[in-house]
Amino acid sequence: DTGVSQDPRHKITKRGQNVTFRCDPISEHNRLYWYRQTLGQGPEFLTYFQNEAQLEKSRLLSDRFSAERPKGSFSTLEIQRTEQGDSAMYLCASSLDRDIRRDTQYFGPGTRLTVL
Amino acid sequence: LAKTTQPISMDSYEGQEVNITCSHNNIATNDYITWYQQFPSQGPRFIIQGYKTKVTNEVASLFIPADRKSSTLSLPRVSLSDTAVYYCLVGEGGGADGLTFGKGTHLIIQP
Repeated sequence: DTGVSQDPRHKITKRGQNVTFRCDPISEHNRLYWYRQTLGQGPEFLTYFQNEAQLEKSRLLSDRFSAERPKGSFSTLEIQRTEQGDSAMYLCASSLDRDIRRDTQYFGPGTRLTVL
Repeated sequence: LAKTTQPISMDSYEGQEVNITCSHNNIATNDYITWYQQFPSQGPRFIIQGYKTKVTNEVASLFIPADRKSSTLSLPRVSLSDTAVYYCLVGEGGGADGLTFGKGTHLIIQP
């Protein structure tokens, strides 16, 4: 399968702990997105990369969240000092580099985070 | 002000045509309209994209009127497996931060 993969699929942690998620995009895609989705809501944009450069971050993104894409391939999303409100599905998507207004994103299966 | 507005839920039956309308009154000149489908515990999946008039692919059609303030996703002859949440996505502001999925439409197909 050459789609977007995410690891782990599920993560349970205690409040205050740090967690890190990984996303492997489709190999020829140079754009990578992170989203958060809570129950009953659509995906909420967090940040995106063009190759290794982080070009945008959501204005709502807490300082406890950080993302990297060091070699322009896989990406990691870290949440420091987790809070119960961070419990959500974290989705990664990748796409080819074209006008962002018509970008077709390919999503991974997501990482479900539960903060106790 | 919501960027897109869709019905929260819809019901239909197998074999019927289903039309889901999305309102996007503030769509910008360069924005495209993209629809995604999402099943429980999976990431969204691209269905169709359009700019104006009508677009058709192997799974759906997308109708966009001349003023582009709304769009209608048409699913022909639905089956039980089309039960999912459908999102209308319109870019705003020119950046990724403007890509807002909204709450989507939960489509339930019954036998």
